[in-house]
Amino acid sequence: SQQGEEDPQALSIQEGENATMNCSYKTSINNLQWYRQNSGRGLVHLILIRSNEREKHSGRLRVTLDTSKKSSSLLITASRAADTASYFCATDYGQNFVFGPGTRLSVLP
Amino acid sequence: NAGVTQTPKFRVLKTGQSMTLLCAQDMNHEYMYWYRQDPGMGLRLIHYSVGEGTTAKGEVPDGYNVSRLKKQNFLLGLESAAPSQTSVYFCASSYFGKYNEQFFGPGTRLTVL
Repeated sequence: SQQGEEDPQALSIQEGENATMNCSYKTSINNLQWYRQNSGRGLVHLILIRSNEREKHSGRLRVTLDTSKKSSSLLITASRAADTASYFCATDYGQNFVFGPGTRLSVLP
Repeated sequence: NAGVTQTPKFRVLKTGQSMTLLCAQDMNHEYMYWYRQDPGMGLRLIHYSVGEGTTAKGEVPDGYNVSRLKKQNFLLGLESAAPSQTSVYFCASSYFGKYNEQFFGPGTRLTVL
């Protein structure tokens, strides 16, 4: 079973709307990271949130972490067509990271 | 800086053939990783290295070997390719393991017939 798993698997929204995706994990973590992957490309790091942090912002991105519920959420505000991509959470597990299967976000113009 | 580069970008092999994928990074990172990505399964760690001359197994190491003779390079080898190894392979590096962000290469799309 996977350490981290995103929800929903796929999400379609209109440009200008907000997009929220969630990540749940099973064991305690030191930090959690979110990555974006455009079709056919490598992953790009978005945000790292440490276990003692509850919320972080980066531009139009807002990440929350609830260690009591073992969950995190990624909010993209005022979405753009260019935000169309797959989004992955990665949780540390042992010495490394474990990536979830991702959420496919489609932003329609 | 080029970041993380991978060679080749595409490759088609026949079952039983061997090949080596090359990953290079110019960020002086200690840690390097090889992942494979299959549809709907996210990324799975094959092997990783915590420094020059070191390697360790990840989640799915069978059928692969790696070497890290130079700090900037991490090689992934397939000794006898199988159709189950058809996948997209990503290399990544980070300054200090799981406490830092990972930088990814553009990927190598491998098809084994």
